[in-house]
Amino acid sequence: AQSVTQLDSHVSVSEGTPVLLRCNYSSSYSPSLFWYVQHPNKGLQLLLKYTSAATLVKGINGFEAEFKKSETSFHLTKPSAHMSDAAEYFCADYSSASKIIFGSGTRLSIRP
Amino acid sequence: NAGVTQTPKFQVLKTGQSMTLQCAQDMNHEYMSWYRQDPGMGLRLIHYSVGAGITDQGEVPNGYNVSRSTTEDFPLRLLSAAPSQTSVYFCASSTDGTGGLADTQYFGPGTRLTVL
Repeated sequence: AQSVTQLDSHVSVSEGTPVLLRCNYSSSYSPSLFWYVQHPNKGLQLLLKYTSAATLVKGINGFEAEFKKSETSFHLTKPSAHMSDAAEYFCADYSSASKIIFGSGTRLSIRP
Repeated sequence: NAGVTQTPKFQVLKTGQSMTLQCAQDMNHEYMSWYRQDPGMGLRLIHYSVGAGITDQGEVPNGYNVSRSTTEDFPLRLLSAAPSQTSVYFCASSTDGTGGLADTQYFGPGTRLTVL
């Protein structure tokens, strides 16, 4: 069955250091992959999406993600973390039946 | 343009009670969906609709009903609430649900439901 795996449930970094949130997918066809961010007690906001136009995708707030088919990965990165980046991040994949499969989420904490 | 709205924001039910969670969007989106979010499990799809009059089951449909009589509204009904349905519920909508370049999913603010 199709699945999305977020490899870390919690990531903690210092402000100003790089962020790496890892996501692997299992689709056998060309996926449509997404990263969403959820701040406390809020709904989900789209950060970026991959739809085969380019393997390196730039999103909002300085985030980007690289699609690597050989590794079935779509990791999210940011060069320099800011305190406002503290939130929960979800990787997601559209299946062929109009269904989105979400990963279990990664909570990002930023240390001052 | 209000986007996706959900009511109520909070609800407490007793086991066996029924209720309807409301969801509306004003973006003329064809695709609407309901998710539940539980700690450590991400979001799981309950039901979805690709247009008025069309609904289908997602990953965890048991105990929930939906209908889509208009493009704007997609209510979620709990038939007989159970403690296992304690969760945060999110409604979402998008242009066509295909995940293509022009299709972005917008989420409502959520409904926090507790079943005692």
